[in-house]
Amino acid sequence: GAGVSQSPSNKVTEKGKDVELRCDPISGHTALYWYRQSLGQGLEFLIYFQGNSAPDKSGLPSDRFSAERTGGSVSTLTIQRTQQEDSAVYLCASSSSLNTEAFFGQGTRLTVV
Amino acid sequence: QQQVKQSPQSLIVQKGGISIINCAYENTAFDYFPWYQQFPGKGPALLIAIRPDVSEKKEGRFTISFNKSAKQFSLHIMDSQPGDSATYFCAASGGSSNTGKLIFGQGTTLQVKP
Repeated sequence: GAGVSQSPSNKVTEKGKDVELRCDPISGHTALYWYRQSLGQGLEFLIYFQGNSAPDKSGLPSDRFSAERTGGSVSTLTIQRTQQEDSAVYLCASSSSLNTEAFFGQGTRLTVV
Repeated sequence: QQQVKQSPQSLIVQKGGISIINCAYENTAFDYFPWYQQFPGKGPALLIAIRPDVSEKKEGRFTISFNKSAKQFSLHIMDSQPGDSATYFCAASGGSSNTGKLIFGQGTTLQVKP
């Protein structure tokens, strides 16, 4: 595709349910990032995939959060047993290599009720 | 070591004025410093980026100034326009301990008054 695609664009879920957020990066991009942005706040790093290297999971806030990247392309961020504090916009970005421009998707707005 | 500190948190500028946003970092291994612009409801988009081998980079009305010894860099928006009203994020990456992930500042909300 022309850009980074995220789905769904909006997700409302009940507290305690599991959710999956999807990211389709730009074709050929080896690096993929997930960030979280709470209302009016900055970008909180969650996880980073680079090629075949082990992902950098240092930003995941708890063991309820996990992510995978299949075939070096599509990535899924999973949040188990969602809590109200998980409500935020989840942004995915990809780049062609280390330390180059990262292109962001439009984000998934997650609301936990 | 991994933090990027950004100021001010918010900024109001008159049309035609100069907007200045500052960032500071600790990790001397960082070697890529981009600025992103974000409009409400959209993902951030790259505005301009610099590497530490130059002290200044200009693209149109946007200029990055980089001070390696002070570990600071700033964004200058000349002739600010109402359409520049957005949130601006600085970021940094690089170094063996960083693995290439982008670390962002907290953001600056810019309002340009007509």
